[in-house]
Amino acid sequence: DTAVSQTPKYLVTQMGNDKSIKCEQNLGHDTMYWYKQDSKKFLKIMFSYNNKELIINETVPNRFSPKSPDKAHLNLHINSLELGDSAVYFCASSPDGWNYGYTFGSGTRLTVV
Amino acid sequence: GQQLNQSPQSMFIQEGEDVSMNCTSSSIFNTWLWYKQDPGEGPVLLIALYKAGELTSNGRLTAQFGITRKDSFLNISASIPSDVGIYFCAGPSINAGGTSYGKLTFGQGTILTVHP
Repeated sequence: DTAVSQTPKYLVTQMGNDKSIKCEQNLGHDTMYWYKQDSKKFLKIMFSYNNKELIINETVPNRFSPKSPDKAHLNLHINSLELGDSAVYFCASSPDGWNYGYTFGSGTRLTVV
Repeated sequence: GQQLNQSPQSMFIQEGEDVSMNCTSSSIFNTWLWYKQDPGEGPVLLIALYKAGELTSNGRLTAQFGITRKDSFLNISASIPSDVGIYFCAGPSINAGGTSYGKLTFGQGTILTVHP
């Protein structure tokens, strides 16, 4: 069973469209995250939720809106997609006492054309 | 904000060689984590370090938490082709209030290529 699963794996869409990426974890973790990996492979946090509550909201355009219906799910909705949004988006989760690190999903490669 | 600098940025080695990479920070970290990312996959935790001077091994991998708490090192012995990937160091980002809320800062990665 996949611990942190994201869908879709690949997403190709036109500028201006709205799209969503879904994430689910079956580890029983309390905290979930969205990270963005750019073309230079740099990983930068976007959001984190703890038990459905928004904890971290980095400087991200408000076209990006996370939603956590329960602590096992964290979805990312993106409005009015732009070329610069093309990247790999990773979902991750961690238990309280996150010092043990995150468990990452396998990523969603978003290409905006 | 806190930044982590990894070196080298990339390495090209022959199978069987040993590999060393490091990660430095301008500020103190209380935890150091090393991740590996295979192509098309998410990063996977390799080793976690929690105490200055700590030396921890995971198979052919050995990592050390620097005494100054501002650096960490990862060594891979007798490299094999499946060691190919991107290696990231990471540590908790501490905000002005002294808490991290689980936010990890990642280095820019070291890309390892192993030639058979």
